[in-house]
Amino acid sequence: EIVMTQSPATLSVSPGERATLSCRASQSVSSNLAWYQQKPGQAPRLLIYGASTRATGIPARFSGSGSGTEFTLTISSLQSEDFAVYYCQQYNNWPPLFGQGTKLEIK
Amino acid sequence: EVQLVESGGGLVQPGRSLRLSCAASGFTFDDYAMHWVRQAPGKGLEWVSGISWNSGSIGYADSVKGRFTISRDNAKNSLYLQMNSLRAEDTALYYCAKGSGSATLANLNYWGQGTLVTVSS
Repeated sequence: EIVMTQSPATLSVSPGERATLSCRASQSVSSNLAWYQQKPGQAPRLLIYGASTRATGIPARFSGSGSGTEFTLTISSLQSEDFAVYYCQQYNNWPPLFGQGTKLEIK
Repeated sequence: EVQLVESGGGLVQPGRSLRLSCAASGFTFDDYAMHWVRQAPGKGLEWVSGISWNSGSIGYADSVKGRFTISRDNAKNSLYLQMNSLRAEDTALYYCAKGSGSATLANLNYWGQGTLVTVSS
C-alpha cells in the first residue's frame, strides 16, 4: 500500500500570511491526489483534486501543486475560517489512504 | 443539492454486529461509487471501504477485511456497511462519502455528517 506522509503535523501561521502544507507519497500516485479540509465538529470538505484543481466553490486562495510523490497545498492569505485540519488522500492505487493530517492553527 | 444521511450507529458490545445505512439524494446514485470513511475520537481520517456504481469493484482496508461488508441498493439510493465481530478499535464516527466518478478510485466530493459507533462492554 502507498503511505501518505504529511508535514508538518502542526503549522502556526498568522492571519493574512501564506501557509504551505506538504504531502509525500511512498511511491508515485501520478496526479491522483486530493486535499480535504475539516473543521471541528464538521465533516471533511473536498478542496483540491487532481493535485491542482479546485473543487466547486473553493476560493482561489487555495492552490495545489505537485505530481508523482511530492505535493503541496498553499493558502495564499489566511482567513480566520481557514484554520482547520487538512488531509491529503491518494486515489491512484488501492487502498486510497489518507495522510495523518496537518493542523493549521492561529499564531 | 447532494445529501448523504447516515444512520444505524450506536453502542454495541465487542464481538457483536451493527449495520450502517446511508441514504443518498440530490444526484443519480447509480452513476457514482460510494465509500465509508471513519474517524476515531481525536484521530485522523481512515478510509474503510469503497464500492463501484454497479458493485462490480469493492475494496476494504486491511483493518476491516473479513469483518465488514459494503453493499448498495441502487433502487433505494442507499449504501450499507455490515460490521461483524466488532472491536473496541472500531469505535469511530463513520462517514458516508460520494465518489466523483463511477469507479472506486476517485476523490470524495461529498460527505455526510456521520454516525457514531461505540464498541464497549
